[in-house]
Amino acid sequence: QVQLVQSGAEVKKPGASVNVSCRASGYTFTSHVMHWVRQVPGQRLEWMGWINAGNGDTKYSQKFQGRVTVTRDTSASTAYMELSSLRSEDTAVYYCARDSTEVVPVADTFDYWGQGTLVTVSS
Amino acid sequence: DIQMTQSPSSLSASIGDRVTITCWASQSIASYLNWYQQKPGKAPNLLIFGASTLQSAVPSRFSGSGSGTDFTLTISSLQPEDFATYYCQQSYTTPLTFGGGTKVEIK
Repeated sequence: QVQLVQSGAEVKKPGASVNVSCRASGYTFTSHVMHWVRQVPGQRLEWMGWINAGNGDTKYSQKFQGRVTVTRDTSASTAYMELSSLRSEDTAVYYCARDSTEVVPVADTFDYWGQGTLVTVSS
Repeated sequence: DIQMTQSPSSLSASIGDRVTITCWASQSIASYLNWYQQKPGKAPNLLIFGASTLQSAVPSRFSGSGSGTDFTLTISSLQPEDFATYYCQQSYTTPLTFGGGTKVEIK
């Protein structure tokens, strides 16, 4: 069965960076795009970007451009999301989510999700 | 960016009730509209994609309709496990955007 397992909660100071991992199993990792979505407490879900796990291509929301970097390690079937220059407003649960189709064209639909990683930014 | 608006933001209903949630897009998105259910402390779960196609293993009491800018999620007979927050999401173009959510509570 498809599973996405994320790394544990993080507490960071303003200005720092955070790296969240997402280990995939139960399917061919390189056949799907992996998205990153966040949820600030009490607010709507927010799409951050995706990585084509096959060829490493990325696409980011302009809101996070320059601060977010998504990478992958195909040998470990793991995707990573790094968010830099953290501020208090970045306190949120961060999710990885698999795209529902096998790569091209990207469906931009999320059929499996990780359990979420709480990132708290506080001085 | 395409703005997604949901109504109502919350509703109270009883077991067995028919529930309808509406989602509007700020511009036409054809049928590129998905619905998710989220329970407290859990990740969202895909219910419907392409405005009206039921995801595998989702009960048939859930249905979706609409195209262009106006969309609807209907639960034909509300069950105890359906109390949750529901989100619409457009997959027409990036940045992908979500509605503000509709919380379905027990009356």
